[in-house]
Amino acid sequence: DAGVIQSPRHEVTEMGQEVTLRCKPISGHNSLFWYRQTMMRGLELLIYFNNNVPIDDSGMPEDRFSAKMPNASFSTLKIQPSEPRDSAVYFCASSLSGGPLLAYEQYFGPGTRLTVT
Amino acid sequence: GESVGLHLPTLSVQEGDNSIINCAYSNSASDYFIWYKQESGKGPQFIIDIRSNMDKRQGQRVTVLLNKTVKHLSLQIAATQPGDSAVYFCAESEDSSYKLIFGSGTRLLVRP
Repeated sequence: DAGVIQSPRHEVTEMGQEVTLRCKPISGHNSLFWYRQTMMRGLELLIYFNNNVPIDDSGMPEDRFSAKMPNASFSTLKIQPSEPRDSAVYFCASSLSGGPLLAYEQYFGPGTRLTVT
Repeated sequence: GESVGLHLPTLSVQEGDNSIINCAYSNSASDYFIWYKQESGKGPQFIIDIRSNMDKRQGQRVTVLLNKTVKHLSLQIAATQPGDSAVYFCAESEDSSYKLIFGSGTRLLVRP
């Protein structure tokens, strides 16, 4: 099993540019999570999808952030326009859950390190 | 590179010794707990989980202990190996929900 796949692994962009992060969850998993990790704030949940439907987006920082899951095997996290404070490592995780509100083992991808200058 | 931020507590152990990593949680309604291992440059890796109807759960070389009375969780690693060097996070959720709240982490250094 290839595990959760994320691309790109590293992204350096200038302030104001659009950034798109991509995730392919583990085949057969029905839940997908986007997290952000910084030294100051640790790991924070940004958004959670179950069966391709956004269940909880309360962690999305502001309107500059958006996420989509057009099908069970692909999700994107977009930042437009990007700002230096968005610099962080962004992780995608997936799980096979028995219900949209239940906790099950989450498998994390390798992350995308985003640097906004 | 990384921005200047919090310094993680560090546990340094001799290879072959047992390691105990502790985690305190504050939400008495939390009923699902997970330990993750994160190596440098990688995503968190699931180690073991435990639900609140249990006090102890064992995996391969790892044991998680849950003390609900004092809201304390620990991860014990037997015969610690160099490959165990990483940052370890505990995470909790309330009502067994999907929303995991992660701790700040503990860095484990294994001395050869």
